[in-house]
Amino acid sequence: QLQLQESGLGLVKPSETLSLTCTVSGGSISSVGCYWGWIRHPPGKGLEWIGSIYYSGTAYYNPSLKSRVTISVDTSKNQFSLKLTSVTAADTAVYYCARHMGSHYGRMALWGQGTLVTASS
Amino acid sequence: DIQMTQSPSSLSASVGDGVTITCRASQSISSYLNWYQQKPGIAPKLLIYAASNLQSGVPSRFSGSGSGTDFTLTINCLQPEDFATYYCQQSYSTPPTFGGGTKVEI
Repeated sequence: QLQLQESGLGLVKPSETLSLTCTVSGGSISSVGCYWGWIRHPPGKGLEWIGSIYYSGTAYYNPSLKSRVTISVDTSKNQFSLKLTSVTAADTAVYYCARHMGSHYGRMALWGQGTLVTASS
Repeated sequence: DIQMTQSPSSLSASVGDGVTITCRASQSISSYLNWYQQKPGIAPKLLIYAASNLQSGVPSRFSGSGSGTDFTLTINCLQPEDFATYYCQQSYSTPPTFGGGTKVEI
């Protein structure tokens, strides 16, 4: 059964870089037609799509975050990663990885459990 | 970006009630509309995709309808486990965007 698991530091200082990794288990990250994405949920606010990537390495980003975001994939480890630079308190959120179906912005039927990242000194 | 607006933002209901949540897109999105359920501390769960298709394993008391700009999620005969927050999401164009959520409370 395919599963996703986020990992990374839960506390990041303002102006530093947030780094998270999502490990795909029970299946291959190189599955045709599957895109791997990051979504965040700030406390008290709505869900926000950060971006997604195909196993080939082609990445897609939300224009609102594009200048600060890099998403990469490591097929040998069955992992994909998120880096968000110059974080501020506004980046405090639960970060989820998820699998998109059909396109890089398609429906998401599989999610990781989420990890809370707090931007604070 | 396509803006998604949900109403109401919250509602109170009882076990056994039927409820309807609406979602409006700022432009036509055909049927590229998905619904998710989220409970505190748990990742969102896909309920309905392409406006009216029930995701595998989701109880049949959940149903979706609509196309273009106006969509509804209906829950028939609310069960205790249905008290949660519901989000719509458009997958018509990038970036995918979510509604603000509807909290279904007892």
